[in-house]
Amino acid sequence: KAGVTQTPRYLIKTRGQQVTLSCSPISGHRSVSWYQQTPGQGLQFLFEYFSETQRNKGNFPGRFSGRQFSNSRSEMNVSTLELGDSALYLCASSLLGGESSYNEQFFGPGTRLTVL
Amino acid sequence: AQSVTQPDIHITVSEGASLELRCNYSYGATPYLFWYVQSPGQGLQLLLKYFSGDTLVQGIKGFEAEFKRSQSSFNLRKPSVHWSDAAEYFCAVGSPERDSNYQLIWGAGTKLIIKP
Repeated sequence: KAGVTQTPRYLIKTRGQQVTLSCSPISGHRSVSWYQQTPGQGLQFLFEYFSETQRNKGNFPGRFSGRQFSNSRSEMNVSTLELGDSALYLCASSLLGGESSYNEQFFGPGTRLTVL
Repeated sequence: AQSVTQPDIHITVSEGASLELRCNYSYGATPYLFWYVQSPGQGLQLLLKYFSGDTLVQGIKGFEAEFKRSQSSFNLRKPSVHWSDAAEYFCAVGSPERDSNYQLIWGAGTKLIIKP
């Protein structure tokens, strides 16, 4: 079974631009979560999508948004990029999300975003 | 508020030596506890988890962790490290309570360096 895939793996953007990141979950998984990882900060939860609906949201500004398609693939968008948005963005999938994700959350390799 | 502290940003260990990575948490009740590993270019992988019961938990790749309620700790150990263990290790805390939205609180990570 193929793992979680994220595209692109690397991105370089300039301040003020916007960016879209893509995540394809493991086949059959309906929950996709997004995280921002920065050095010394660990992982910060962005949002979770389940069956095309945003189920949970972390404490990030509205510039960060996402969506999920009927095939469970998910995209994350960041508008008006700031220098502080430079980070590794991770996607994780699980069958149903929620408490079950404690047992079976699988992570992709991430997209490294650099904002200049 | 819940928090997770990994006091060591970097740890250097000789190949074949024993390893202990520290994790302390702040949480009102007994949380769910996790250790993940992130190898370069790889997604995060679950090493082991503690929900309840025996406080010594065995994981994959020869790792184990011990939950000590009195010290609010969940330290990760391995008796003999291999060069392939070089990676970043993350401790995380979760809650069985629905109002947590089942989101993990992550430590900042400890980078493990193996000396030949």
